[in-house]
Amino acid sequence: NAGVTQTPKFRVLKTGQSMTLLCAQDMNHEYMYWYRQDPGMGLRLIHYSVGEGTTAKGEVPDGYNVSRLKKQNFLLGLESAAPSQTSVYFCASSYSLAGVQETQYFGPGTRLLVL
Amino acid sequence: KQEVTQIPAALSVPEGENLVLNCSFTDSAIYNLQWFRQDPGKGLTSLLLIQSSQREQTSGRLNASLDKSSGRSTLYIAASQPGDSATYLCAVKVGTGTASKLTFGTGTRLQVTL
Repeated sequence: NAGVTQTPKFRVLKTGQSMTLLCAQDMNHEYMYWYRQDPGMGLRLIHYSVGEGTTAKGEVPDGYNVSRLKKQNFLLGLESAAPSQTSVYFCASSYSLAGVQETQYFGPGTRLLVL
Repeated sequence: KQEVTQIPAALSVPEGENLVLNCSFTDSAIYNLQWFRQDPGKGLTSLLLIQSSQREQTSGRLNASLDKSSGRSTLYIAASQPGDSATYLCAVKVGTGTASKLTFGTGTRLQVTL
């Protein structure tokens, strides 16, 4: 049981390049989330998904797109990377019990540097 | 808009000391509050979750309290150890079901020295 895994662990991009961050969970969780963590700002929610085939915007969605084609995977895409997207990205997942989301389980993070 | 503040931002204590980390939030209409631990370069690990109807939760040397009306929570760590060195984050959940969201504080970086 690997929990939540993220690929890649670290990436350097040039401004304007695109990339996709992959999150996978093997806990059969319904809910999945993408956060970014920046110094002095705490974790901020980018996008989230409440089930396969569904996605929704979080607090800071601009410049990002997501897809949840399979229940276990949640992809975060940057179509045209900008230096402001330099951050550490965390994926999380949680299950729902009687409609109540339980605690979130986090992946180890992806460190992204945009030059 | 919910805002979560953690004070102090950093704390250094000698091994064996008891310590308290503080978390405050601006909107008392929360569903629950969680304390997380984050080690350098790693993800977050949930330590304790307190439902809005509860006053405290305990796990080993950790005790978290919640005073929803005053918008405060504390994390008490007894007999601190060097292995407790990490950043501690609190997060409050607002809303229920698909509309629920976690709002995080910026964390307290704890160093326990020998």
